[in-house]
Amino acid sequence: GQNIDQPTEMTATEGAIVQINCTYQTSGFNGLFWYQQHAGEAPTFLSYNVLDGLEEKGRFSSFLSRSKGYSYLLLKELQMKDSASYLCAVRDRTGNTPLVFGKGTRLSVIA
Amino acid sequence: EAQVTQNPRYLITVTGKKLTVTCSQNMNHEYMSWYRQDPGLGLRQIYYSMNVEVTDKGDVPEGYKVSRKEKRNFPLILESPSPNQTSLYFCASSAHDSGGVEQYFGPGTRLTVT
Repeated sequence: GQNIDQPTEMTATEGAIVQINCTYQTSGFNGLFWYQQHAGEAPTFLSYNVLDGLEEKGRFSSFLSRSKGYSYLLLKELQMKDSASYLCAVRDRTGNTPLVFGKGTRLSVIA
Repeated sequence: EAQVTQNPRYLITVTGKKLTVTCSQNMNHEYMSWYRQDPGLGLRQIYYSMNVEVTDKGDVPEGYKVSRKEKRNFPLILESPSPNQTSLYFCASSAHDSGGVEQYFGPGTRLTVT
């Protein structure tokens, strides 16, 4: 079966760095996505990893280790507006096939 | 502006009264899908469509129908809604490609079935 695990909730301080982990067990692997979702709003795309290593995009970075079935999203210089849920999703087959989503990690940024 | 639209955004209805939630995208995307999102369960896929007249079941298709007669539209139909279909629904679309193709989500439809 497909299984994607993320912590349910995290709290971090404004200006700090936070790392949100995601582990996955899927029948195949063709890429891992991170989405941000503010309460009551639609998810928005943050990053995509298909090869091992770190992808950096401004304050956000995402890391992938395929051999370990592991990814993390790193948020630097946290701002209050970063308070949101962060969703890890895996594409388990080649082609534009459905994503399997984790349940999301709700991040609260406090002053 | 590239976007995915859904209507209605909010709906309260009664058990058994058929309803349709519309979804439309203006990006000429081949792939469209419907998700429901419930507290503690995350996003779960209901149905998806790889192109016109091609649809397939996702993880939780029971009680739902879809159709894809045109590329831009992908309506979600609840023939006989029940209270357990109370949820937040998202439509999404993406271009036909392999690899890192991000999905664009609509704004969501909050459905309450009493």
